Amino acid sequence: NAGVTQTPKFRVLKTGQSMTLLCAQDMNHEYMYWYRQDPGMGLRLIHYSVGEGTTAKGEVPDGYNVSRLKKQNFLLGLESAAPSQTSVYFCASRRRKGYEQYFGPGTRLTVT
Amino acid sequence: SQQGEEDPQALSIQEGENATMNCSYKTSINNLQWYRQNSGRGLVHLILIRSNEREKHSGRLRVTLDTSKKSSSLLITASRAADTASYFCATDGTDSWGKLQFGAGTQVVVTP
Repeated sequence: NAGVTQTPKFRVLKTGQSMTLLCAQDMNHEYMYWYRQDPGMGLRLIHYSVGEGTTAKGEVPDGYNVSRLKKQNFLLGLESAAPSQTSVYFCASRRRKGYEQYFGPGTRLTVT
Repeated sequence: SQQGEEDPQALSIQEGENATMNCSYKTSINNLQWYRQNSGRGLVHLILIRSNEREKHSGRLRVTLDTSKKSSSLLITASRAADTASYFCATDGTDSWGKLQFGAGTQVVVTP
């Protein structure tokens, strides 16, 4: 099993550009999450999903949108990137009846 | 805002020594989890302690939880160079959606 994979691994955007980050998991997990990690800080939850077709806001949702059209995929979109969105983005998933989250390797995004 | 505060921010020890790090949090929890992050990688779950537990062991890891003080500690015994990583505590709140709130982490360096 590949576990949780993220695409792309690195990306540089100019202010105002848009992009989509893809997260895929092959563990049949019901719950999926997007976090961002900034230097000197822990991870902060952006959005999450508790099932196909459902999404909800986390702690820092502004400037991001998400979609979960298929159970195995969770997409994070930036419609108009800003320098404040420069960060490392992590996707995670877990079973509905479980607690442990499984993380992807991260996407390093730089917005200039 | 972050739920957890971790102490110390950084820790440097020699192989064979024990490493202790502490985490404090602010609100009621269902459980508290510890994760490890190697440089440039995703997070890996280490151990979970439920709110009704006081101590838990897993291999060389020992976790304590004091809900009256809203604090937890992680002890790694007989450290190895491979334990060099950042360690994060994460609190899982009282809803069932697994919205973790992370501390800022403790960076541990173990020298041979």
